[in-house]
Amino acid sequence: AQKITQTQPGMFVQEKEAVTLDCTYDTSDPSYGLFWYKQPSSGEMIFLIYQGSYDQQNATEGRYSLNFQKARKSANLVISASQLGDSAMYFCAMRGVNDYKLSFGAGTTVTVRA
Amino acid sequence: SAVISQKPSRDICQRGTSLTIQCQVDSQVTMMFWYRQQPGQSLTLIATANQGSEATYESGFVIDKFPISRPNLTFSTLTVSNMSPEDSSIYLCSVIQGANRDNEQFFGPGTRLTVL
Repeated sequence: AQKITQTQPGMFVQEKEAVTLDCTYDTSDPSYGLFWYKQPSSGEMIFLIYQGSYDQQNATEGRYSLNFQKARKSANLVISASQLGDSAMYFCAMRGVNDYKLSFGAGTTVTVRA
Repeated sequence: SAVISQKPSRDICQRGTSLTIQCQVDSQVTMMFWYRQQPGQSLTLIATANQGSEATYESGFVIDKFPISRPNLTFSTLTVSNMSPEDSSIYLCSVIQGANRDNEQFFGPGTRLTVL
């Protein structure tokens, strides 16, 4: 079984600053993938970034980067230069090698202040 | 990435009725899933939609309540049957392209259902 933990229910960040969203996970799968999604108030789930457990380098996509520490089982999302449009709920998710099912964390609400 | 559309985008339904949600993808995909997000909660997988055969349901979800069809590689429907207010949720279709388990997974825009 897989478990995703997001311990920050809500965060405030000043516009143009960086913010780090925590995500820890637990799995017995030898190989797995970690995902981050953004969900604005409209309800859609927007894919942000993916990290494979055997990837040597941390994933980056524009202003999003994933701080992957395999030994600590953490996959924190860093959003640089925050914008007002970044205000949303952010979900960390995981998929093991043995199936295609995504397991989600509880989510973190980010509010960007002008 | 695949472009996913869902219909309807939202609906308000009466208790005891049923609603069928459609998911259309602009290209063939390997896997299709249906998720539910209850108010203020995270996403929960309802089932995997299998092409040409019965869907694979997760624990706590049954075919009589959530019948699913997937007639081809680009289309699926989810029906929420005999609705009650507890079924008020966002229902999201999700897809994976390709057979690689590292492949990215995308979501449709969701169907926001309110049951009175």
